[in-house]
Amino acid sequence: EAAVTQSPRNKVAVTGGKVTLSCNQTNNHNNMYWYRQDTGHGLRLIHYSYGAGSTEKGDIPDGYKASRPSQENFSLILELATPSQTSVYFCASGGSFSNERLFFGHGTKLSVL
Amino acid sequence: GEQVEQRPPHLSVREGDSAVIICTYTDPNSYYFFWYKQEPGAGLQLLMKVFSSTEINEGQGFTVLLNKKDKQLSLNLTAAHPGDSAVYFCAVSDPGTGSNRLTFGKGTKFSLIP
Repeated sequence: EAAVTQSPRNKVAVTGGKVTLSCNQTNNHNNMYWYRQDTGHGLRLIHYSYGAGSTEKGDIPDGYKASRPSQENFSLILELATPSQTSVYFCASGGSFSNERLFFGHGTKLSVL
Repeated sequence: GEQVEQRPPHLSVREGDSAVIICTYTDPNSYYFFWYKQEPGAGLQLLMKVFSSTEINEGQGFTVLLNKKDKQLSLNLTAAHPGDSAVYFCAVSDPGTGSNRLTFGKGTKFSLIP
């Protein structure tokens, strides 16, 4: 079974602080994704990547940056965290074709106070 | 872009009963569809993937129907049991990108009535 590992599992941050969420996959997948999950909104795509060095804006990129330094690692960066970014964040990886499933991590619960 | 509407947002049934979750999508060119299950405190796990060439898929305890004419996807949970309690999401693969970028429905929280 493909493995996607997120860290940390829980994070409490202060408003205006910098937060980095990390994701590692051992599946050798080209594509990686960051979603946030909020009640009433389901999962919304923040950023995604087609491979090392690539990052693309998703549907709700404002306030977030992403970094893909290697095939295995994909980070989500909140330079100036705000309370509206309190959410559960999921990382996923998948192959390059539209018929392929995504593999999800367990999620990171972020609270911005 | 693609939009996916999922209903109902909440669904409670008694053990042994059946239940239906419906998703409606907007892009007629969409070709690949997925159902994911999320148990409490966990990530999403694939339940079933459906291709446009397949109208019916049956798994263990559920049936998935795809109606391309009405742009509708449904998940029918048959004979519900405690292990079915979870949040279910439908997802549609973006037909324009050639990648597996997904647009998700808002989810259905499914539970059993004690």
